[in-house]
Amino acid sequence: GAVVSQHPSRVICKSGTSVKIECRSLDFQATTMFWYRQFPKQSLMLMATSNEGSKATYEQGVEKDKFLINHASLTLSTLTVTSAHPEDSSFYICSAASGNTYEQYFGPGTRLTVT
Amino acid sequence: GIQVEQSPPDLILQEGANSTLRCNFSDSVNNLQWFHQNPWGQLINLFYIPSGTKQNGRLSATTVATERYSLLYISSSQTTDSGVYFCARAAAGNKLTFGGGTRVLVKP
Repeated sequence: GAVVSQHPSRVICKSGTSVKIECRSLDFQATTMFWYRQFPKQSLMLMATSNEGSKATYEQGVEKDKFLINHASLTLSTLTVTSAHPEDSSFYICSAASGNTYEQYFGPGTRLTVT
Repeated sequence: GIQVEQSPPDLILQEGANSTLRCNFSDSVNNLQWFHQNPWGQLINLFYIPSGTKQNGRLSATTVATERYSLLYISSSQTTDSGVYFCARAAAGNKLTFGGGTRVLVKP
């Protein structure tokens, strides 16, 4: 159990375009989902926390107008990178947690390359 | 803010060897997790261990919350154990702060 999927696994887009990444909890209801970014050979950095039906909470330094997060249901959260630039190229990972546990389960990640 | 430090940063093992990875954290913990990130980037949950000791096959973990550290033991290492091991500690709202990771390479 506790499977989280992400789609797409890899995306290449041109500078100035927007990209949407989906995160789904497949076998449990995720009251909270988290979005992380990981640069090569670095650790994961939390970008934002989203709770179903409410606005996302962004970490300091993360532009909320650039990284739009929607958590429309208990099994789906989306991250949209708007007006992407090459410096947005990174590995984006989501995680999900249900309300009765602290344990987070991670998706397989999405590798974004902006050309 | 919360500090999570891991050591060593890199570890090269011969297949079959045992090793210990360490995670120090700066304040009390009510949620500590160990993960293995495989070469494809997937984080795999190893242990949820705010205190005490747990074992799962060749892996075990111990957290001593009062002394603010956790240890991950890998016994009889295999090449498939290669990857990056992260510990992470949760703050309010279950926000995880990750350590810098230990990059493990197990040689055949």
